[in-house]
Order: sequence, then structure tokens, then C-alpha cells
Amino acid sequence: DGGITQSPKYLFRKEGQNVTLSCEQNLNHDAMYWYRQDPGQGLRLIYYSQIVNDFQKGDIAEGYSVSREKKESFPLTVTSAQKNPTAFYLCASRNREGGYTFGSGTRLTVV
Amino acid sequence: DQQVKQNSPSLSVQEGRISILNCDYTNSMFDYFLWYKKYPAEGPTFLISISSIKDKNEDGRFTVFLNKSAKHLSLHIVPSQPGDSAVYFCAASPYYNQGGKLIFGQGTELSVKP
Repeated sequence: DGGITQSPKYLFRKEGQNVTLSCEQNLNHDAMYWYRQDPGQGLRLIYYSQIVNDFQKGDIAEGYSVSREKKESFPLTVTSAQKNPTAFYLCASRNREGGYTFGSGTRLTVV
Repeated sequence: DQQVKQNSPSLSVQEGRISILNCDYTNSMFDYFLWYKKYPAEGPTFLISISSIKDKNEDGRFTVFLNKSAKHLSLHIVPSQPGDSAVYFCAASPYYNQGGKLIFGQGTELSVKP
């Protein structure tokens, strides 16, 4: 079955560490997105990529970095510069007709 | 600046009654609107959408109404069922068919009581 796989489901990070969240899709979608969910704030766009080797900052890109070396993969790195990284992270991809498919998310906790 | 707002963080409804979830937006360039349903620790799933050229779209128990002059849309669920209990997100996009990105509201948690 086609879909988006995010791993790991739960991730713990120590202060000052960088961590990378994985997002893989086998839907052959060109566009991919990273959102962050916080209580009472909905989903906020971190980074997005419309095509391989290209990506743009979303509304809250500070402290994050991404790469898009392959169509199937769009990993998100949460750097030590992100001051409040504890959140639920969602990856999505979009088909040509405009439909979005979301992964099941990664919950990141700073310990 | 919150371009898409869901002002009710929660809503409680009796089973069998109507649930009405509201959403307001500020950007007049938005041309496509969607509702997503989300269970805890899962990704959102698409529920229903509406283009700005329409004022109503219906799919089974779910109907979305769009009032462009008021920059307001609503999702009606009739009849409500306990399985509908989830967080509902409203989303909007400018130039949706040209790859415009989705902007989400804060979400409304719906609880349907048996």
C-alpha cells in the first residue's frame, strides 16, 4: 500500500543535540511538507519542497533544516538552535490533483 | 498573524444531533478550503473540501458551507456519532491548483456523547 512513513514514532532529545526525523513516501508525489503541531496552535508549516533538490522555508523554519536528495525522502533535522522543539511533527506529501497525505507523526520530547 | 482561525477549541454534542464546526479566514486570496480529522498520535485525514466557486459541498453526513463575503466556512455533521470524536482542522490555500500550500487553523476538539 502506498503511503507516508515517519520514524521514529517517539524521539527523545537532550538539550543541545541535533536530531533527524525521517519521512519516506512511496506515492510518487513531487511535493512534501513538514508541519509542527502544538496544543492550541494547529499545524504550522516548517519547510516544504516542491521538487527534488529544492525546498523553501515555511512560517517557522528557524532552528530546523531539511534536504531533498531523493523524491521519496524529506528528512527534517531539529537543531540545537530550536529553542522549543518539544512537539508533534507531521510530514505530508501532495499529489498533482492537490490531495495531501499525512504520515502518522513523530513526537519529539526534550529531556 | 493567524490567517485561518477556529475560535472554539472544543465542542460537545449528543449522539444523533448536529455538530457545527466553524472557521474564519482573513486572506481573500484563498481559493480552496478543506477539513481534516485527526485522532491523537495520528496524522490528519482528509474529510471534505470546497472550492471558492461553490457555497456548499455535501458528502454523506458531512456538509461544508462557504460564505465568501463573511470569510467564513462551517462543517456540519448530521447525525453525529461517537466515532466522530476527534480534532477537526480547517485548512485553506491560495492558488491551490498551482501548488499553493495549506494553512491550518488551530483545530476544534469534537466530543460526541452517547
